[in-house]
Amino acid sequence: DAGVIQSPRHEVTEMGQEVTLRCKPISGHNSLFWYRQTMMRGLELLIYFNNNVPIDDSGMPEDRFSAKMPNASFSTLKIQPSEPRDSAVYFCASSEGLSRWDFGPGTRLLVL
Amino acid sequence: ELKVEQNPLFLSMQEGKNYTIYCNYSTTSDRLYWYRQDPGKSLESLFVLLSNGAVKQEGRLMASLDTKARLSTLHITAAVHDLSATYFCAVDEGNEKLTFGTGTRLTIIP
Repeated sequence: DAGVIQSPRHEVTEMGQEVTLRCKPISGHNSLFWYRQTMMRGLELLIYFNNNVPIDDSGMPEDRFSAKMPNASFSTLKIQPSEPRDSAVYFCASSEGLSRWDFGPGTRLLVL
Repeated sequence: ELKVEQNPLFLSMQEGKNYTIYCNYSTTSDRLYWYRQDPGKSLESLFVLLSNGAVKQEGRLMASLDTKARLSTLHITAAVHDLSATYFCAVDEGNEKLTFGTGTRLTIIP
């Protein structure tokens, strides 16, 4: 099992550009989560999906952020337009219930 | 809104000593998770505690859960340098959303 896969691992972009982060959950896991980690705010849940359906997006900071899960093996988090305050590490996680949550390696985003 | 507080936030301890990290949360829950994060790395699952009184141990780490007190502890026995990392607790209040604590940055000094 390759674990949760995220791409890219690092992204440097300029303010105003569109950024797309990608995630492949562990096969068989029916829930997928996007988290953001910063020094100031710690780990924040942005959105989560269950069986490919968005369940709670209350953590999405604003309309510039959007997420999709077109099938059980792929999800994207898009920021358009990006701003310097979006700089953070974005983690994708998947779970199959209560027993285990697995986190991906993260995407380190820097918006200049 | 669920609040999860950890203390201490920073902890320096000598090798061979024992210490405990505390995780308090503000709502009823019997689902608590401990994670470890090394600098620049992802979160590694350590323990899953799913009932009142649950106790799990792995090597020099032991975690427990008291749902009545809304408290979990992570106990470190005879610390070694390899345990230096940031430790997070996270609580699921029943809606499959994990709310994380602030983290405890642990440094083991030789």
